[in-house]
Amino acid sequence: QSVLTQPPSVSGAPGQRVTISCTGSSSNIGARSDVHWYQQLPGTAPKLLIYGNSNRPSGVPDRFSGSKSGTSASLAITGLQAEDEADYYCQSYDSRLSGVVFGGGTKLTVL
Amino acid sequence: EVQLVESGGGLVQPGRSLRLSCAASGFIFDDFAMHWVRQAPGKGLEWVSGMSWNSATAGYADSVKGRFTISRDNAKNSLYLQMNSLRTEDMALYYCAKDIGRYPEGADAFDIWGQGTMVTVSS
Repeated sequence: QSVLTQPPSVSGAPGQRVTISCTGSSSNIGARSDVHWYQQLPGTAPKLLIYGNSNRPSGVPDRFSGSKSGTSASLAITGLQAEDEADYYCQSYDSRLSGVVFGGGTKLTVL
Repeated sequence: EVQLVESGGGLVQPGRSLRLSCAASGFIFDDFAMHWVRQAPGKGLEWVSGMSWNSATAGYADSVKGRFTISRDNAKNSLYLQMNSLRTEDMALYYCAKDIGRYPEGADAFDIWGQGTMVTVSS
């Protein structure tokens, strides 16, 4: 059981919008710890997609956006493309565990 | 080019030890915290350990506390993970990752990842 809860899978057709949720608690997201998002394409290392809840690193398309509210965060992907098919992970810091925590990951399928 | 290259993985029997290394290049290594993150076959990401820029602070996941030790040598731009008393559940691809901040407890993101080194624990 991951400390941060993500749906195991989401799917959408090309051009559509999908969202991936990340639910935590008062000791991580709710404690005002930032949430970060990673994209992991098949057979590759994770890549930073969103940092500090809603900031995009250089080179990440603006089709990707992040938000945070209370004890949850969300990643939204608009204009879905086939190349977006990957696993997505959220990450935060848990003050009770005194450590970094990841969500269980969400597999995005582009129909 | 900014790069992290892990090494030291391999096949090891349960109860034995292994030391992983991560060689960094292309950035000022001693300005940033560094971490180890693992991924068991077909599973998600699990944070293992992190160390501050100056080795002053380190954190560990409960699953490895007391068995694994993280260290770094800023003069050699290298990060290490000493893994003792290995268990079958430690079998995973181990990634080295660069923090965007100086301290592992800073809740910062990991902006650079290596390709990983595989650790197989089996008799």
